[in-house]
Amino acid sequence: GQSLEQPSEVTAVEGAIVQINCTYQTSGFYGLSWYQQHDGGAPTFLSYNGLDGLEETGRFSSFLSRSDSYGYLLLQELQMKDSASYFCAVSTHAGNMLTFGGGTRLMVKP
Amino acid sequence: EAGVAQSPRYKIIEKRQSVAFWCNPISGHATLYWYQQILGQGPKLLIQFQNNGVVDDSQLPKDRFSAERLKGVDSTLKIQPAKLEDSAVYLCASSQPTGDEQFFGPGTRLTVL
Repeated sequence: GQSLEQPSEVTAVEGAIVQINCTYQTSGFYGLSWYQQHDGGAPTFLSYNGLDGLEETGRFSSFLSRSDSYGYLLLQELQMKDSASYFCAVSTHAGNMLTFGGGTRLMVKP
Repeated sequence: EAGVAQSPRYKIIEKRQSVAFWCNPISGHATLYWYQQILGQGPKLLIQFQNNGVVDDSQLPKDRFSAERLKGVDSTLKIQPAKLEDSAVYLCASSQPTGDEQFFGPGTRLTVL
């Protein structure tokens, strides 16, 4: 089976940088994904890491260390609209179902 | 490009009643997923289809839940009979067969009284 751990809540101020960590245990690992979900909305894809290292997409970056079973999502230049829940999710092969973590609720304050 | 469509958006039923949800994936996406998201938790996969075949339904409570994707496009998820603990948002997602990104619909919020 799979299990993922991420902090339940993080608070930061507008313009700051925040890092959301995710550790996982899985019997098979293919990749780590990150999704954003605003209250009442659908999860939307942010990033995917299949290999170790950093992936950068605009203000968001994601990192993976397969040897440590660890990844993180880095959000820079925080904006109020970034207030949402962020989920890490593991997959065991391409196109495979995702197992999601419990989510991290990010609150951005002025 | 149209996104994943789901209906209804909201549904309120009494326990022991039945309910059905409908999903239309993004055109050309062969893989379709149904997730259950209980308030405050991450989505939990119920079933994955590849075209009209089931890839994984290990977490589907088969005594009360059923799903089908007859023509490899639209899908329906049914609960019969519903229990109080089935109150959740039911999300449909689709993807390319080997795609890393899943596209989610707006979900159906089910309340069981």
